[in-house]
Amino acid sequence: GENVEQHPSTLSVQEGDSAVIKCTYSDSASNYFPWYKQELGKRPQLIIDIRSNVGEKKDQRIAVTLNKTAKHFSLHITETQPEDSAVYFCAGEANFGNEKLTFGTGTRLTIIP
Amino acid sequence: DTEVTQTPKHLVMGMTNKKSLKCEQHMGHRAMYWYKQKAKKPPELMFVYSYEKLSINESVPSRFSPECPNSSLLNLHLHALQPEDSALYLCASSQGPLGLDGYTFGSGTRLTVV
Repeated sequence: GENVEQHPSTLSVQEGDSAVIKCTYSDSASNYFPWYKQELGKRPQLIIDIRSNVGEKKDQRIAVTLNKTAKHFSLHITETQPEDSAVYFCAGEANFGNEKLTFGTGTRLTIIP
Repeated sequence: DTEVTQTPKHLVMGMTNKKSLKCEQHMGHRAMYWYKQKAKKPPELMFVYSYEKLSINESVPSRFSPECPNSSLLNLHLHALQPEDSALYLCASSQGPLGLDGYTFGSGTRLTVV
């Protein structure tokens, strides 16, 4: 089955700086990689996702990159703001009959004003 | 309606009680999921329903019993739980059976077993 590792577990950045969170996956058949943001006491919310047929995807201040050969993908947040403080989870999922979404262990991101 | 609604939001139950968690979505999603999340941990998959049929059971103890009455509803029946079952229980849905378009999570039920 899929195994997703995520680093770092905690990350503090100055407001306005960039934050990068990295994940690796084990199943070379996986081809869908979402990122979820979970604020304290709230539900995980999908913020961006990428499929294995593309290498990069951007949505305003958020971008995700995927390296299929190395089996890793990263979340990039630029011009960070206090409201970006949350726990971020990466995830991976294979697409041939496997409906499981395997989550990484999470990164607690703190934006320092 | 673009939400997944879970009830109740909080539940305290004794180890001999029987209770049910409910989840509802009206987005026409064909797959629904139950996840369990402990504090400071990622969500852990429990069950997957695809087109109203149970497709994945992640070796969940029988004291948890899922039910999908129709394509919009998902229940989780609880019986004889243990204190270690206390957690946030999240329901999610996705449009396709393979979840490749991302999941929409409900706000969860925070369960405390006493």
